[in-house]
Amino acid sequence: EADIYQTPRYLVIGTGKKITLECSQTMGHDKMYWYQQDPGMELHLIHYSYGVNSTEKGDLSSESTVSRIRTEHFPLTLESARPSHTSQYLCASSLSGHPIQETQYFGPGTRLLVL
Amino acid sequence: DQQVKQNSPSLSVQEGRISILNCDYTNSMFDYFLWYKKYPAEGPTFLISISSIKDKNEDGRFTVFLNKSAKHLSLHIVPSQPGDSAVYFCAASVLGGGADGLTFGKGTHLIIQP
Repeated sequence: EADIYQTPRYLVIGTGKKITLECSQTMGHDKMYWYQQDPGMELHLIHYSYGVNSTEKGDLSSESTVSRIRTEHFPLTLESARPSHTSQYLCASSLSGHPIQETQYFGPGTRLLVL
Repeated sequence: DQQVKQNSPSLSVQEGRISILNCDYTNSMFDYFLWYKKYPAEGPTFLISISSIKDKNEDGRFTVFLNKSAKHLSLHIVPSQPGDSAVYFCAASVLGGGADGLTFGKGTHLIIQP
């Protein structure tokens, strides 16, 4: 059972607001990821981290930013939300090393609607 | 250009029969493949994986087959149960590669009919 948590689960917010999506894991995983998924589409990697103080941009360009100050915490921030940011945001984590440990485990996701 | 393709958006199977979900990939550098199951409004749940050194991996009702020469993998679910109704994503990665995110297909919606 994967112990990875995301809050809020659902968020409806107006254009121009700053938002932070929280992601925490209690498995001691060093790697963490943020994916974005629109309905009926594949998941796209937007950010990842190899460990504390490490953040990298993923394949899909995103206006969001991330930070990794603690191993267990990987929040995503949008400084000024726009309707084009409406999507599902999924956080995942994995442990470096053996292929089995490289398997990524996902949180429940945050569904964001920007009006 | 999609590197992981699931060409069937949906699949309907009778309860008790075999469900076969297919996935094709184009990047020959991929060496680790995974299947995830996703219910609406939830995150993907890891099901089963296979590394490129194997051609088959089995876990209970789930078996994944890998054909490297054809760049094709499939997930077999036997017997299919109502709780298997969900969207199934195929994903691939390059172990030790620079960008460690998974490359996903668009998913196949599996519907198990009673």
